[in-house]
Amino acid sequence: QVQLHQSGPGLVRPSQTLSLTCVISGDSVSNTDTAWNWFRQSPSRGLEWLGRTFFRSKWYDDYEVSVRSRITISPDTSRNQFSLHLKSVTPEDAAVYFCASGSTMNDHWGQGTLVTVSS
Amino acid sequence: SYVLTQPPSVSAAPGQTATFTCGGDNIESKSVNWYQQKAGQAPVLVVYNSRDRPSGIPERFSGSKSGNTATLTLTRVEAGDEAAYLCQVWDSGYEHRWVFGGGTRLTVL
Repeated sequence: QVQLHQSGPGLVRPSQTLSLTCVISGDSVSNTDTAWNWFRQSPSRGLEWLGRTFFRSKWYDDYEVSVRSRITISPDTSRNQFSLHLKSVTPEDAAVYFCASGSTMNDHWGQGTLVTVSS
Repeated sequence: SYVLTQPPSVSAAPGQTATFTCGGDNIESKSVNWYQQKAGQAPVLVVYNSRDRPSGIPERFSGSKSGNTATLTLTRVEAGDEAAYLCQVWDSGYEHRWVFGGGTRLTVL
């Protein structure tokens, strides 16, 4: 059974970098049949996809246009996990962040991390 | 960019049927996923590929689509079904991205 467990700080200072990790059990980050995604959810923006990384003979990533200049999603095969880095955060980036697996659907989700942006 | 439209709320009495709609341009040509999200929890996939159910999801959940509307039908509503229901499609246009509807909150009367 696939499980995703998120970790990372719940408080980030404005202009700093938000970093979260999603540890995978029951699957491999190198699985060529799936993708590893990050989402966020806020009352003002709803549930929003941020980007994904996936392996298909080599590593790929793609990102939501609105955050593309600030975001990196990267795999760590040695630890079987993937990470989100979102730089130069503002209060608009405050949300609950989720990792999730899946290419044509998102069938496994992390527990969610509430991120506050405040000095 | 592709937009999915859902009514904000639906109500149903226990034992009745709740219907959730998701409007999108030519959504009939897309694969639609549906999620149930209870307060404070992560979404749970209840229908994928417009009409398929993951293992462990009751047969009370069913999906369909026609024209510009996808529909999730929940029969024999129970108190534990109270949640938000969100539709999702992959926008394969210029901006490749997952797109969600705003969600419909089910109130069980």
